Amino acid sequence: DTGVSQNPRHKITKRGQNVTFRCDPISEHNRLYWYRQTLGQGPEFLTYFQNEAQLEKSRLLSDRFSAERPKGSFSTLEIQRTEQGDSAMYLCASSPEPSTNEKLFFGSGTQLSVL
Amino acid sequence: QKEVEQNSGPLSVPEGAIASLNCTYSDRGSQSFFWYRQYSGKSPELIMFIYSNGDKEDGRFTAQLNKASQYVSLLIRDSQPSDSATYLCAVSDSWGKLQFGAGTQVVVTP
Repeated sequence: DTGVSQNPRHKITKRGQNVTFRCDPISEHNRLYWYRQTLGQGPEFLTYFQNEAQLEKSRLLSDRFSAERPKGSFSTLEIQRTEQGDSAMYLCASSPEPSTNEKLFFGSGTQLSVL
Repeated sequence: QKEVEQNSGPLSVPEGAIASLNCTYSDRGSQSFFWYRQYSGKSPELIMFIYSNGDKEDGRFTAQLNKASQYVSLLIRDSQPSDSATYLCAVSDSWGKLQFGAGTQVVVTP
């Protein structure tokens, strides 16, 4: 069990550029979550998948954000036309099965800085 | 209105003492409650979970849940400098999705 893997660890980009992050969940974990965290705040829910199906998107997620999980394995999160307010840590987490008792296992995150 | 509330701290605790962290939540339908530890610059790490009213102990950690009061707490006994971190309270909604509080920073002083 190699844990949740996220790439890249850090990303610096200029405002207006597009960026894409990748998350590889723990194998056989059906659920995959994306959260965003800014300094001094807890993780904020963005979206999640049950296998390849995207079940929910936060209303905070603008149209510039899109996430995919094409084969129910890895996931990508793309931000188009980045803005300075997008600077944050983007965290991916997975859990083994649908349940109200969700235990999330987090990756190391991707730190995005938009200049 | 925040759904999960925590005191931001910092909570300063002498080494060897008990650290007491509190969390309140607004969704009465919440079923599952979690405490995550997060070191600076790192991702959250699950340390405790509790589903039923009462206490749950795991090593130096004790989680306490009172659903009637919509209150969950974490006690850290015999606090060590390595316990210095931010502790995040998380509550599962009816769909199993976690809502996090802003976290309480704990500083254990030698």
